[in-house]
Order: sequence, then structure tokens, then C-alpha cells
Amino acid sequence: GENVEQHPSTLSVQEGDSAVIKCTYSDSASNYFPWYKQELGKGPQLIIDIRSNVGEKKDQRIAVTLNKTAKHFSLHITETQPEDSAVYFCAASNGQAGTALIFGKGTTLSVSS
Amino acid sequence: EAGVAQSPRYKIIEKRQSVAFWCNPISGHATLYWYQQILGQGPKLLIQFQNNGVVDDSQLPKDRFSAERLKGVDSTLKIQPAKLEDSAVYLCAGGQPREAFFGQGTRLTVV
Repeated sequence: GENVEQHPSTLSVQEGDSAVIKCTYSDSASNYFPWYKQELGKGPQLIIDIRSNVGEKKDQRIAVTLNKTAKHFSLHITETQPEDSAVYFCAASNGQAGTALIFGKGTTLSVSS
Repeated sequence: EAGVAQSPRYKIIEKRQSVAFWCNPISGHATLYWYQQILGQGPKLLIQFQNNGVVDDSQLPKDRFSAERLKGVDSTLKIQPAKLEDSAVYLCAGGQPREAFFGQGTRLTVV
């Protein structure tokens, strides 16, 4: 089955800096890669996703890149703000009906002002 | 649109007791998931429903956990009897195939 590895487990940056979180996956059939943000006491919230027919996707300060050959994908947050502080999870799925998302272990991002 | 509703938000029980969690997904979402999230880890799939039917329950400890989704809408997850290692947040999510929109979860503490 699918296995998703996520690094780093913790990341501390200064406000305004960029943050990068990386994930690798094992199942070459995976073709859907979402990223979730989880704030304390809340459920994970989808912030951006990418499908395997696209190499990069951007939404304001957030971007995700995908390298299918290497089986890794990354989340990039630019101009970080204190409200970006949270736990971020990557996930992977092969997109077929009946296939659930497999999550990484999460990255705790701390943005200090 | 209304979000995924879960109850209760918190539950504390003693080991060997039973507990049940309830989930009401977003209207129209045929797929429903229950995930277990142990502190410091990512969500781990317990069971997936498509409408009324179970699609994947390979990770569900069936000797103590059970789940049902009547009429393809609400779902309940039950643990009987609970063990200390069941302490976790239980997340319900719904969506179309490969999407998952999460509720706030139920934090279970087994003492």
C-alpha cells in the first residue's frame, strides 16, 4: 500500500521568510496530492492540492510542486505570517473511487514575529 | 455550505468501557471516512463508506471497533471495550472520491 513520508517534523521561521515542507510517496499509481492545515483543536483543513498532470500550482502565498519521477511533492509558503503557524499534513491517493487519502506524520510550523 | 458535524467534542472514559461517536457529513457527499489521529501523528484511516456500503475497513480493529452508516448519511463509530491506546482524536470526513473535508473531531481520553 501507499506510504507517505514527510519532512521536517518541525520548522521554525521568522515572519516574512519562506517555508518549505517536503513529502515522498511510494505508490507510483498515486495521482492526487492534497495539503492540509490543522490548527489546535480543529480538524484538518484543505489548503491546496495538485493532480499528477500538473507540475506546479499556486494560490496566493502558497504553492505546491510535484515531481512524479522522483515521487516527491513540496509545499512552499512565502512571506510567512504568524497565522500560518499550525501543523501541516501532506497526503496521497490514487484517486480511484474507494481509495482513501494516506497522510504523512505532519510538520509543525512556527512563525515568529 | 454547512460543515461536517461531529459529537461529542470531548469524551473521557475508563478502560473497558464503551463509547460512541456520531458524524453528520456535508449533504450530498457519498463518501464518508473515519480517521484516528494519535497525538503527534497524521490521521490514520479506520473505515471508509461509499453511501451505505463499506469500501475499506482493513485498518479497523474489528474485535473492538464497529461503525455503521445508515441511509447513507449519518454515521456512528463505536469502541467496546476501550483500551488506553485508543486515546486519540477521531475525525470524520466526507467528500467525493479522493476528497476529504474534515469535522472538528472527537477527543477521546481513556483512563
